[in-house]
Amino acid sequence: NAGVTQTPKFQVLKTGQSMTLQCAQDMNHEYMSWYRQDPGMGLRLIHYSVGAGITDQGEVPNGYNVSRSTTEDFPLRLLSAAPSQTSVYFCASSYCWDKCEQYFGPGTRLTVT
Amino acid sequence: GIQVEQSPPDLILQEGANSTLRCNFSDSVNNLQWFHQNPWGQLINLFYIPSGTKQNGRLSATTVATERYSLLYISSSQTTDSGVYFCAVDGGSSNTGKLIFGQGTTLQVKP
Repeated sequence: NAGVTQTPKFQVLKTGQSMTLQCAQDMNHEYMSWYRQDPGMGLRLIHYSVGAGITDQGEVPNGYNVSRSTTEDFPLRLLSAAPSQTSVYFCASSYCWDKCEQYFGPGTRLTVT
Repeated sequence: GIQVEQSPPDLILQEGANSTLRCNFSDSVNNLQWFHQNPWGQLINLFYIPSGTKQNGRLSATTVATERYSLLYISSSQTTDSGVYFCAVDGGSSNTGKLIFGQGTTLQVKP
């Protein structure tokens, strides 16, 4: 299993540009989430999904869109990038049955100039 | 919403020393996990421990759910233990896969 994969690893955008961060998992996990990590801080939840076709907002959803058309994929779209969105973005997946361990991708480092 | 506080924020140890990291949370939880973020940024799952005690090699964790805290013990620390340790909880009525993270404890182990 590849686990949770994210592309790209690095990205530089200009203010106002849009882009999609890709996330995929091959573990048939029902739950997927997007977090952002800013320097010296913990991770903050942007959006999450409890299954294909179902998404909901986390703590910091403004400026981001998500969709979940398949179990495997959970892309994060930045509609109009702003310098405040400069961060490291992590995607995670989990299968919650007897326990609910969350597994993280390697992250995407995004810089908005 | 639920608050998660970790202490200490920073910790410097000599190789071979033991340490205890603490995580306090403000409400009942149905999911608590400890993660290690290595110097390359990768987040590694250490323990899923909403209650009770678990051990994995030199690491162990205890969660006292009724008192709303969890402890991570690192014994005989090694330089490879360096990094940031996060506690994260899911405070929803059932497991939803969305975690609230503490600010982390940055550990530096010196040779």
